[in-house]
Amino acid sequence: EPEVTQTPSHQVTQMGQEVILRCVPISNHLYFYWYRQILGQKVEFLVSFYNNEISEKSEIFDDQFSVERPDGSNFTLKIRSTKLEDSAMYFCAIGQGPNYEQYFGPGTRLTVT
Amino acid sequence: AQTVTQSQPEMSVQEAETVTLSCTYDTSENNYYLFWYKQPPSRQMILVIRQEAYKQQNATENRFSVNFQKAAKSFSLKISDSQLGDTAMYFCAFMKLDGNQFYFGTGTSLTVIP
Repeated sequence: EPEVTQTPSHQVTQMGQEVILRCVPISNHLYFYWYRQILGQKVEFLVSFYNNEISEKSEIFDDQFSVERPDGSNFTLKIRSTKLEDSAMYFCAIGQGPNYEQYFGPGTRLTVT
Repeated sequence: AQTVTQSQPEMSVQEAETVTLSCTYDTSENNYYLFWYKQPPSRQMILVIRQEAYKQQNATENRFSVNFQKAAKSFSLKISDSQLGDTAMYFCAFMKLDGNQFYFGTGTSLTVIP
């Protein structure tokens, strides 16, 4: 199974600060995804990324979020000005594209205070 | 819109016994994919099994099998000969045909009791 690592495992930040969550997939998969899971709630889709651009995004993924793959390996999720409600577990995933299973990383727990 | 419902927040099963986790979904799509993912306490989700809606035959993977009832929009997971390592949160997930995103249920926390 493809390996996906995420850093940091836990990030604590103050409201209004910018955070960057990193994902390092070790595979040749071309599709990248971010999901989040607020404590006690469902895992929710944020965005999919293919060929260096967003292919699909949810209503949650508003202007304060952005993604990029700056060096061809790391896949990052940036939250520009964090809010308390951004506190959640953020999961990166990779896959072969539509219709295929996705492989998830261990997640980054983001705590906004 | 697609919704996935898992009505059993917590379940337990004796080691070596069989347990069935329920999942129902709502969609107007005719072709789609269904998945079960397992999230052990280490938090990384792992694919357990996948089902294509156009296939009538239920998917099986070793001790894991599904009961897919398309008309009823039901997709339950059966775990046979439960092992301690099966203790985890189990998520049912839906993906539209040619879709990129999963729609997850709220999960069922399964505990295997020795």
